Amino acid sequence: AQTVTQSQPEMSVQEAETVTLSCTYDTSESDYYLFWYKQPPSRQMILVIRQEAYKQQNATENRFSVNFQKAAKSFSLKISDSQLGDAAMYFCAYRSFYGGSQGNLIFGKGTKLSVKP
Amino acid sequence: EPEVTQTPSHQVTQMGQEVILRCVPISNHLYFYWYRQILGQKVEFLVSFYNNEISEKSEIFDDQFSVERPDGSNFTLKIRSTKLEDSAMYFCASQGMVRAGNTIYFGEGSWLTVV
Repeated sequence: AQTVTQSQPEMSVQEAETVTLSCTYDTSESDYYLFWYKQPPSRQMILVIRQEAYKQQNATENRFSVNFQKAAKSFSLKISDSQLGDAAMYFCAYRSFYGGSQGNLIFGKGTKLSVKP
Repeated sequence: EPEVTQTPSHQVTQMGQEVILRCVPISNHLYFYWYRQILGQKVEFLVSFYNNEISEKSEIFDDQFSVERPDGSNFTLKIRSTKLEDSAMYFCASQGMVRAGNTIYFGEGSWLTVV
């Protein structure tokens, strides 16, 4: 079974600085997707960024980028130029490319990010 | 931007009571899900629903739980005879296409407290 581990329960960053959130996962599959979701105080789960395992290029969405290391099964999220609105819980998630569980996202426990003004 | 909406945002219920959590998925979506998050723990998959039937469910989703899409817009999660350990945040989610990489949109969650 696949597992996702986020080893940093809490992180803090100064506004305008860069922070990296760590995520590792375990799987025997070769094709899969990885996601970072953000959960602000409003509680809604918002997709931040997505990475297809078959793509070597790291995904980027504006100030958010990932460092995807497939061999190491590592999927970290880098937030550049941190803003106060980035303060939230961040969840790393895994999803099989194939299989009957079409919606079965496997989540890590999350990292709570604080942004200091 | 379209949203998944959930009601209630917070419900307190007595142990043993039945609870219905309601969700309105995004209107043209076809796949619906329930996840839950016990305080301090991981978000866990409960069930997926497609074409008016359950397509997948986890071990958590036992006979105590049921889902229904009664009217083509609402998607409900019923918990019969609630237990203290059912206290959690319950997230509804929906997706338009079946491919695994397509975005799953989550609602804001319903916080259930069983006392």
